[in-house]
Amino acid sequence: KAGVTQTPRYLIKTRGQQVTLSCSPISGHRSVSWYQQTPGQGLQFLFEYFSETQRNKGNFPGRFSGRQFSNSRSEMNVSTLELGDSALYLCASSTWPTGSVEQYFGPGTRLTVT
Amino acid sequence: KQEVTQIPAALSVPEGENLVLNCSFTDSAIYNLQWFRQDPGKGLTSLLLIQSSQREQTSGRLNASLDKSSGRSTLYIAASQPGDSATYLCAVRPDRGSTLGRLYFGRGTQLTVWP
Repeated sequence: KAGVTQTPRYLIKTRGQQVTLSCSPISGHRSVSWYQQTPGQGLQFLFEYFSETQRNKGNFPGRFSGRQFSNSRSEMNVSTLELGDSALYLCASSTWPTGSVEQYFGPGTRLTVT
Repeated sequence: KQEVTQIPAALSVPEGENLVLNCSFTDSAIYNLQWFRQDPGKGLTSLLLIQSSQREQTSGRLNASLDKSSGRSTLYIAASQPGDSATYLCAVRPDRGSTLGRLYFGRGTQLTVWP
């Protein structure tokens, strides 16, 4: 069974631009969560989606948004990029709430903002 | 708010040593605790998951224990090898129905095992 896939793997953007990251969960997984990892703050929860609905949201500004499609694939968008948005963005999927809550992580998208 | 702390932040040991990595959390109302490994620039690989009702879990050379009431977990690595070099992350899942999908992470222990 294929794991969680994230595209693109690497991205370089300029301050003020916007970016969209994509996550395809493991087949059969309907919950998708997003995390941001930076050297300064570590791993922080962004948001979680199930059945196309946002279930949880972390403490991030409104520039960070996401959505989930009917096939469970998810995208996150960051508008008006700032230098501090440079990070590794990780996506995780699980079968929760209908199954196990254990999350499986993708390889991440490395975003660099210049 | 749940806070997770890992000690030490970094560890450098010769091959063959037995290691203990520590994790503490402030809110004992957890659903489970998970240990992950992260190689440089890569995603997270799950090592062990301990449910709140369990005391320990074992996988090969790895053993993780959980003392929920005191808010502590330890990851024991036996007979360390250079291939164990990575960052080890501890994460807890709060025992609140609507937030079960959210993990709170520690900052990690960066482990280097030299030959």
